[in-house]
Amino acid sequence: DAGVIQSPRHEVTEMGQEVTLRCKPISGHDYLFWYRQTMMRGLELLIYFNNNVPIDDSGMPEDRFSAKMPNASFSTLKIQPSEPRDSAVYFCSSGGPPTDTQYFGPGTRLTVL
Amino acid sequence: EDQVTQSPEALRLQEGESSSLNCSYTVSGLRGLFWYRQDPGKGPEFLFTLYSAGEEKEKERLKATLTKKESFLHITAPKPEDSATYLCAVQGSKGRRALTFGSGTRLQVQP
Repeated sequence: DAGVIQSPRHEVTEMGQEVTLRCKPISGHDYLFWYRQTMMRGLELLIYFNNNVPIDDSGMPEDRFSAKMPNASFSTLKIQPSEPRDSAVYFCSSGGPPTDTQYFGPGTRLTVL
Repeated sequence: EDQVTQSPEALRLQEGESSSLNCSYTVSGLRGLFWYRQDPGKGPEFLFTLYSAGEEKEKERLKATLTKKESFLHITAPKPEDSATYLCAVQGSKGRRALTFGSGTRLQVQP
């Protein structure tokens, strides 16, 4: 298995632009998570899905952030409009039976100028 | 609310000098405690899961232990390639599947 795949690996954009991050989970996993990592706050959950259904979005900062999982193989995290304070590394992870272990992707480093 | 505190923030060891990293946690109903390793520019890499107090797991030079309030990651005779940030996370709070992470310990092993 190729593991969790994220794209793009790096994204540089200007304030106000729309940003879309993509994630392909490990095949057979029924949980998908989006986390954000910053120096100040560490790794924090944004949202997670079970069987393509959002379960907990309490970590989504505000209405500018949205996430979708249209099928078991694909998820997106969208920021519109982006702001400089959104600059961070965004990780996707997936997990499934028989354990609760989450496996992380390589992350997307987002810089908003 | 689940909380995880790791110490020290940073640790510098000489090659072969054994030590331990600490992870203290507060959680409502622990489902599991996880250790990850993170190298610069990469995603966290899974190391261990511990489920109940008294449990221990080993992998090469690493051994993780768990009590009701904390976990330790023991590093025996470390090598420079063990240099990384080690992250502790808990899964608890009434069935919530997301992980709550500590801020990590940055380990540097000098040859």
